[in-house]
Amino acid sequence: DADVTQTPRNRITKTGKRIMLECSQTKGHDRMYWYRQDPGLGLQLIYYSFDVKDINKGEISDGYSVSRQAQAKFSLSLESAIPNQTALYFCATSDRAGGVNEQFFGPGTRLTVL
Amino acid sequence: GENVEQHPSTLSVQEGDSAVIKCTYSDSASNYFPWYKQELGKRPQLIIDIRSNVGEKKDQRIAVTLNKTAKHFSLHITETQPEDSAVYFCAAPLLAGGGADGLTFGKGTHLIIQP
Repeated sequence: DADVTQTPRNRITKTGKRIMLECSQTKGHDRMYWYRQDPGLGLQLIYYSFDVKDINKGEISDGYSVSRQAQAKFSLSLESAIPNQTALYFCATSDRAGGVNEQFFGPGTRLTVL
Repeated sequence: GENVEQHPSTLSVQEGDSAVIKCTYSDSASNYFPWYKQELGKRPQLIIDIRSNVGEKKDQRIAVTLNKTAKHFSLHITETQPEDSAVYFCAAPLLAGGGADGLTFGKGTHLIIQP
């Protein structure tokens, strides 16, 4: 089945380290998103991309950067991780075709910054 | 940008009873309102959505109603079952329109089904 995958699934790192979270999809969707989930706060949009040449900031982009290497791959980087970036990170995709905006989420990456 | 408020944060109901979760939004130009279910340790999954050109949509035991004038929408689950226990999130387009620019989510409702 077509799916959205994320690597790694869990990561523990130290303050100041650079870390990259990766997302791949086999759904053939053109739109990709990165969300952050904190307990009791729902999900917040970090960055989104409509194609490899179109990257946009979301609600909480400070401290993060992204790269759309191909239609199927969208990576999130923390250049210098800090403890308040400890959270569950989800990648999502959606399809422009038909005007449907359903977002399909990956399994998530649990990041802990010590 | 859009702002979404969700209530209650926790809802406990007896198995077989109905559950209602409510959300309000701020941007009258928003036209797409999805509901996601997230089971413990799992990814959010869409369970139902509604567009602003209709007032109600049903899918078996779940339904969503939309009041554009009051800018609120609600999730209704009837005949609740143990497998309905999860966290439910409402959402609306982050920017005006249909959500292509991403979604803004409510803070979630933890639904507990009591046996």
